[in-house]
Amino acid sequence: KNEVEQSPQNLTAQEGEFITINCSYSVGISALHWLQQHPGGGIVSLFMLSSGKKKHGRLIATINIQEKHSSLHITASHPRDSAVYICAVRSYNTDKLIFGTGTRLQVFP
Amino acid sequence: NAGVTQTPKFQVLKTGQSMTLQCAQDMNHEYMSWYRQDPGMGLRLIHYSVGAGITDQGEVPNGYNVSRSTTEDFPLRLLSAAPSQTSVYFCASRMTGLLSGNTIYFGEGSWLTVV
Repeated sequence: KNEVEQSPQNLTAQEGEFITINCSYSVGISALHWLQQHPGGGIVSLFMLSSGKKKHGRLIATINIQEKHSSLHITASHPRDSAVYICAVRSYNTDKLIFGTGTRLQVFP
Repeated sequence: NAGVTQTPKFQVLKTGQSMTLQCAQDMNHEYMSWYRQDPGMGLRLIHYSVGAGITDQGEVPNGYNVSRSTTEDFPLRLLSAAPSQTSVYFCASRMTGLLSGNTIYFGEGSWLTVV
């Protein structure tokens, strides 16, 4: 079993829909990152969380440390949100990042 | 402020050839790392460095060398390329502490094909 699991692996939505991507992890962490990767492109950090909730524009990220779970929400989704979203945790013991395999999101007009 | 600059973006190598992927950052980050991204797998750590003169192996170090002579530069060398090293490579950097709110910054990626 992977130390970082994301669901779903693939997600299709209509423009305007509310999107949720989930991340569960099994190791002790000092922080959790949500990353975005456009096709053929680089990787951009969206959020770094160690507790609670963060919001940036239409993106909201939450984390529940006790349940070892984080969610990334996109409100009023748009075709330009189409990308792969990657969850990565910073291991408390090793200080290294452990990555999920990503969620591929496609938003259609 | 250019962030993390990674070159080349695309490269085709023949089996047995050697090459160096360049990575430079201008944010004075102590921590730099190299990852490879393969289909169906999360990014995997190849090598990392917590400061100039200090490097260490990650999860998949075989076939790769690194050096960190300056804070800014962290090149990745493929010693004798093999088809199994066909992948997308990402360089990344961040500060080492947690209190600085250290976002991780990635380069644009290098698409490497070994034939």
